Amino acid sequence: NAGVTQTPKFQVLKTGQSMTLQCAQDMNHNSMYWYRQDPGMGLRLIYYSASEGTTDKGEVPNGYNVSRLNKREFSLRLESAAPSQTSVYFCATEREYNYGYTFGSGTRLTVV
Amino acid sequence: DAKTTQPPSMDCAEGRAANLPCNHSTISGNEYVYWYRQIHSQGPQYIIHGLKNNETNEMASLIITEDRKSSTLILPHATLRDTAVYYCIVRVGDMDTGRRALTFGSGTRLQVQP
Repeated sequence: NAGVTQTPKFQVLKTGQSMTLQCAQDMNHNSMYWYRQDPGMGLRLIYYSASEGTTDKGEVPNGYNVSRLNKREFSLRLESAAPSQTSVYFCATEREYNYGYTFGSGTRLTVV
Repeated sequence: DAKTTQPPSMDCAEGRAANLPCNHSTISGNEYVYWYRQIHSQGPQYIIHGLKNNETNEMASLIITEDRKSSTLILPHATLRDTAVYYCIVRVGDMDTGRRALTFGSGTRLQVQP
């Protein structure tokens, strides 16, 4: 039982490159979330998916797109990476509303 | 969702109880209080949540005042591994009034001293 798995764990991109951050869960949770955390800061919500087939913008969605491929997977795509997107990205899941989140271990992204 | 106020940092001696306060004076009747912690650069970890009654689990106790304007997270016997940033979050609990994702503030950095 792996819980929430994020890949890759580390990534260095050049400005303008694109990439997709993957998040997969094996807990059959309904909701999934993408947060970013800049150094010394709290987490900020990028996008979330309340259930399979739905996605909604969070606090800082600009520069990102998401895809809820199925109940297990929620991917985050950077179409044209910018240095301001250097951050640690966390995926989280929630079994049902108001139950509590389970977080992955994060993807550390550096854009140069 | 109601805003929360936490002290930026606290110290606690190993083996003693750690009492982390949180002010949420604008909380609404249908908003829950959540606590999470983040150890170093790991993903945040859920600790406990409650509406108005005190709650206890294997990790901690949550004490909510009768007027619900503040709460305290209690770690009964703090260890060095409890050194972390602790986040107090308020979130609406009624899906009919709008689903809300958790909003994380800057939290309290708890340092457990040997």
